[in-house]
Amino acid sequence: EAGVAQSPRYKIIEKRQSVAFWCNPISGHATLYWYQQILGQGPKLLIQFQNNGVVDDSQLPKDRFSAERLKGVDSTLKIQPAKLEDSAVYLCASTNKAGRWNTGELFFGEGSRLTVL
Amino acid sequence: AQSVTQPDIHITVSEGASLELRCNYSYGATPYLFWYVQSPGQGLQLLLKYFSGDTLVQGIKGFEAEFKRSQSSFNLRKPSVHWSDAAEYFCAVGGNFGNEKLTFGTGTRLTIIP
Repeated sequence: EAGVAQSPRYKIIEKRQSVAFWCNPISGHATLYWYQQILGQGPKLLIQFQNNGVVDDSQLPKDRFSAERLKGVDSTLKIQPAKLEDSAVYLCASTNKAGRWNTGELFFGEGSRLTVL
Repeated sequence: AQSVTQPDIHITVSEGASLELRCNYSYGATPYLFWYVQSPGQGLQLLLKYFSGDTLVQGIKGFEAEFKRSQSSFNLRKPSVHWSDAAEYFCAVGGNFGNEKLTFGTGTRLTIIP
Protein backbone atom coordinates (compact mmCIF):
# COMPACT_ATOMS: atom_id res chain seq x y z
CA GLU A 1 0.00 0.00 0.00
CA ALA A 2 1.44 3.36 -1.02
CA GLY A 3 1.93 5.85 1.78
CA VAL A 4 1.12 9.53 1.99
CA ALA A 5 2.97 11.35 -0.79
CA GLN A 6 4.16 14.93 -0.45
CA SER A 7 6.01 17.30 -2.74
CA PRO A 8 8.27 19.09 -2.95
CA ARG A 9 10.48 17.67 -0.21
CA TYR A 10 12.48 20.87 0.09
CA LYS A 11 11.79 24.46 -0.87
CA ILE A 12 13.79 27.63 -0.31
CA ILE A 13 12.15 30.99 -0.98
CA GLU A 14 12.61 34.60 0.01
CA LYS A 15 10.17 36.34 2.31
CA ARG A 16 7.09 37.73 0.62
CA GLN A 17 7.26 35.07 -2.09
CA SER A 18 4.62 32.37 -2.43
CA VAL A 19 4.89 28.59 -2.18
CA ALA A 20 2.57 25.63 -2.59
CA PHE A 21 2.79 22.13 -1.17
CA TRP A 22 0.96 19.11 -2.48
CA CYS A 23 -0.25 16.02 -0.65
CA ASN A 24 -1.74 12.80 -1.94
CA PRO A 25 -3.14 10.73 0.94
CA ILE A 26 -3.41 6.97 1.13
CA SER A 27 -6.08 5.76 -1.26
CA GLY A 28 -9.50 5.76 0.32
CA HIS A 29 -8.57 7.91 3.30
CA ALA A 30 -11.39 10.34 3.90
CA THR A 31 -9.70 12.56 6.46
CA LEU A 32 -6.64 14.65 5.67
CA TYR A 33 -4.59 16.94 7.91
CA TRP A 34 -1.89 19.54 7.40
CA TYR A 35 0.48 20.04 10.33
CA GLN A 36 3.25 22.60 10.75
CA GLN A 37 6.38 21.43 12.58
CA ILE A 38 8.79 24.18 13.54
CA LEU A 39 12.29 23.07 14.50
CA GLY A 40 12.36 21.91 18.11
CA GLN A 41 8.58 21.78 18.43
CA GLY A 42 5.89 19.20 18.00
CA PRO A 43 3.56 19.25 15.01
CA LYS A 44 0.78 21.83 15.20
CA LEU A 45 -2.48 21.30 13.33
CA LEU A 46 -3.18 23.83 10.60
CA ILE A 47 -6.26 22.36 8.93
CA GLN A 48 -8.34 19.18 8.86
CA PHE A 49 -10.45 18.03 5.93
CA GLN A 50 -13.07 15.33 5.80
CA ASN A 51 -13.54 14.45 2.14
CA ASN A 52 -13.59 17.88 0.51
CA GLY A 53 -14.99 19.78 3.48
CA VAL A 54 -13.09 21.64 6.18
CA VAL A 55 -13.56 20.22 9.68
CA ASP A 56 -11.18 22.52 11.55
CA ASP A 57 -9.08 25.44 10.35
CA SER A 58 -9.04 27.39 13.58
CA GLN A 59 -5.23 27.50 13.72
CA LEU A 60 -4.65 28.33 10.07
CA PRO A 61 -3.31 31.90 9.59
CA LYS A 62 -5.88 32.73 6.98
CA ASP A 63 -4.33 36.03 6.01
CA ARG A 64 -1.48 34.16 4.34
CA PHE A 65 -2.26 30.43 4.37
CA SER A 66 -4.85 28.66 2.28
CA ALA A 67 -5.63 25.02 1.65
CA GLU A 68 -7.99 23.10 -0.54
CA ARG A 69 -9.05 19.55 -1.23
CA LEU A 70 -11.36 20.07 -4.17
CA LYS A 71 -12.15 16.48 -5.13
CA GLY A 72 -11.74 14.96 -1.70
CA VAL A 73 -8.49 13.26 -2.62
CA ASP A 74 -5.26 15.24 -2.92
CA SER A 75 -4.73 18.58 -1.24
CA THR A 76 -2.70 21.74 -1.70
CA LEU A 77 -1.42 24.08 1.00
CA LYS A 78 -0.38 27.55 -0.12
CA ILE A 79 1.48 30.32 1.67
CA GLN A 80 1.35 33.83 0.23
CA PRO A 81 3.22 35.94 1.17
CA ALA A 82 5.71 33.91 3.19
CA LYS A 83 7.31 35.22 6.37
CA LEU A 84 10.54 34.18 8.03
CA GLU A 85 8.59 32.46 10.83
CA ASP A 86 6.94 30.15 8.28
CA SER A 87 10.20 28.20 8.02
CA ALA A 88 9.13 24.72 9.09
CA VAL A 89 8.32 21.22 7.92
CA TYR A 90 4.79 20.89 6.61
CA LEU A 91 3.42 17.45 7.29
CA CYS A 92 0.42 15.91 5.63
CA ALA A 93 -1.40 13.08 7.37
CA SER A 94 -4.44 10.99 6.58
CA THR A 95 -6.75 8.41 8.11
CA ASN A 96 -9.42 6.16 6.68
CA LYS A 97 -11.75 7.01 9.53
CA ALA A 98 -14.06 9.97 9.67
CA GLY A 99 -16.46 11.61 12.05
CA ARG A 100 -17.04 9.85 15.33
CA TRP A 101 -14.92 6.90 14.19
CA ASN A 102 -11.85 9.05 13.73
CA THR A 103 -9.82 8.34 16.83
CA GLY A 104 -6.58 9.95 15.77
CA GLU A 105 -4.48 7.10 14.35
CA LEU A 106 -2.78 8.96 11.55
CA PHE A 107 -0.48 8.08 8.68
CA PHE A 108 2.06 10.81 7.94
CA GLY A 109 3.98 11.76 4.84
CA GLU A 110 7.68 12.57 4.93
CA GLY A 111 6.98 16.28 4.96
CA SER A 112 7.94 19.33 2.93
CA ARG A 113 10.72 21.42 4.46
CA LEU A 114 10.35 25.14 3.83
CA THR A 115 13.14 27.64 4.38
CA VAL A 116 12.23 31.32 4.12
CA LEU A 117 15.20 33.69 3.72
CA ALA B 1 -7.54 23.09 26.33
CA GLN B 2 -5.62 19.88 25.94
CA SER B 3 -1.84 19.88 26.26
CA VAL B 4 1.12 17.54 26.45
CA THR B 5 4.41 17.96 28.28
CA GLN B 6 7.51 15.97 27.48
CA PRO B 7 10.00 17.13 30.11
CA ASP B 8 13.08 15.55 28.53
CA ILE B 9 14.33 17.28 25.40
CA HIS B 10 17.19 14.84 24.81
CA ILE B 11 18.02 11.46 26.29
CA THR B 12 21.12 9.35 25.68
CA VAL B 13 21.18 5.66 26.51
CA SER B 14 23.55 2.82 25.79
CA GLU B 15 22.55 0.12 23.36
CA GLY B 16 20.96 -2.72 25.29
CA ALA B 17 19.94 -0.51 28.20
CA SER B 18 16.36 0.11 29.24
CA LEU B 19 14.48 3.25 28.24
CA GLU B 20 11.70 5.34 29.70
CA LEU B 21 10.41 8.51 28.03
CA ARG B 22 8.10 10.68 30.07
CA CYS B 23 4.83 12.21 28.99
CA ASN B 24 2.30 14.18 31.01
CA TYR B 25 -0.98 15.34 29.58
CA SER B 26 -3.78 17.71 30.42
CA TYR B 27 -7.28 16.86 29.28
CA GLY B 28 -10.67 17.42 30.80
CA ALA B 29 -12.06 13.94 30.21
CA THR B 30 -10.78 10.50 29.37
CA PRO B 31 -8.10 11.04 26.77
CA TYR B 32 -6.91 9.10 23.80
CA LEU B 33 -3.11 8.91 24.07
CA PHE B 34 -0.51 8.16 21.45
CA TRP B 35 3.21 7.80 20.96
CA TYR B 36 4.62 8.55 17.53
CA VAL B 37 8.24 8.15 16.37
CA GLN B 38 10.00 10.28 13.78
CA SER B 39 13.26 9.12 12.23
CA PRO B 40 15.47 11.77 10.59
CA GLY B 41 13.93 13.06 7.38
CA GLN B 42 10.86 10.90 7.81
CA GLY B 43 7.25 11.43 8.74
CA LEU B 44 5.77 10.33 12.02
CA GLN B 45 4.88 6.68 12.60
CA LEU B 46 2.42 5.47 15.22
CA LEU B 47 4.11 3.34 17.89
CA LEU B 48 1.13 2.66 20.13
CA LYS B 49 -2.13 4.08 21.38
CA TYR B 50 -4.35 3.99 24.45
CA PHE B 51 -8.10 4.34 24.19
CA SER B 52 -9.51 2.42 27.14
CA GLY B 53 -9.21 -0.82 29.06
CA ASP B 54 -5.85 -2.28 30.04
CA THR B 55 -3.62 0.58 31.10
CA LEU B 56 -0.47 -1.15 29.83
CA VAL B 57 -0.43 -1.09 26.05
CA GLN B 58 1.94 -2.82 23.71
CA GLY B 59 3.16 -1.29 20.50
CA ILE B 60 5.43 -1.99 17.59
CA LYS B 61 9.19 -2.44 17.80
CA GLY B 62 9.00 -3.79 21.36
CA PHE B 63 7.71 -0.58 22.94
CA GLU B 64 5.08 -0.37 25.65
CA ALA B 65 3.43 2.46 27.54
CA GLU B 66 1.46 2.69 30.75
CA PHE B 67 -1.48 5.03 31.31
CA LYS B 68 -1.66 6.36 34.87
CA ARG B 69 -4.73 8.49 35.34
CA SER B 70 -3.76 9.60 38.86
CA GLN B 71 -0.49 11.02 37.54
CA SER B 72 -1.82 12.19 34.15
CA SER B 73 1.06 10.31 32.60
CA PHE B 74 1.65 8.01 29.66
CA ASN B 75 5.30 7.02 29.78
CA LEU B 76 6.93 5.02 27.02
CA ARG B 77 9.24 2.14 27.87
CA LYS B 78 11.46 -0.38 26.20
CA PRO B 79 13.47 -3.01 28.09
CA SER B 80 16.46 -3.05 25.72
CA VAL B 81 17.11 -0.40 23.09
CA HIS B 82 18.68 -0.98 19.71
CA TRP B 83 20.75 1.49 17.68
CA SER B 84 17.85 1.73 15.24
CA ASP B 85 15.68 3.23 17.98
CA ALA B 86 17.53 6.53 17.70
CA ALA B 87 14.85 9.02 16.66
CA GLU B 88 12.51 11.74 17.92
CA TYR B 89 9.58 10.54 20.00
CA PHE B 90 6.34 12.48 20.31
CA CYS B 91 3.55 11.96 22.78
CA ALA B 92 0.11 13.16 21.68
CA VAL B 93 -3.32 13.52 23.22
CA GLY B 94 -6.74 13.54 21.62
CA GLY B 95 -10.27 13.42 22.89
CA ASN B 96 -12.82 10.68 22.48
CA PHE B 97 -15.52 12.58 20.69
CA GLY B 98 -14.50 11.64 17.18
CA ASN B 99 -13.02 13.67 14.35
CA GLU B 100 -9.91 13.87 16.40
CA LYS B 101 -7.21 16.42 16.07
CA LEU B 102 -4.13 15.57 18.07
CA THR B 103 -2.09 17.85 20.30
CA PHE B 104 1.55 16.88 20.27
CA GLY B 105 4.28 17.41 22.82
CA THR B 106 7.57 19.02 21.88
CA GLY B 107 9.30 15.69 21.50
CA THR B 108 12.22 13.82 23.07
CA ARG B 109 15.28 13.12 20.98
CA LEU B 110 16.79 9.73 21.72
CA THR B 111 20.47 9.08 21.08
CA ILE B 112 21.89 5.57 21.36
CA ILE B 113 25.56 5.07 22.17
CA PRO B 114 27.37 1.79 21.47
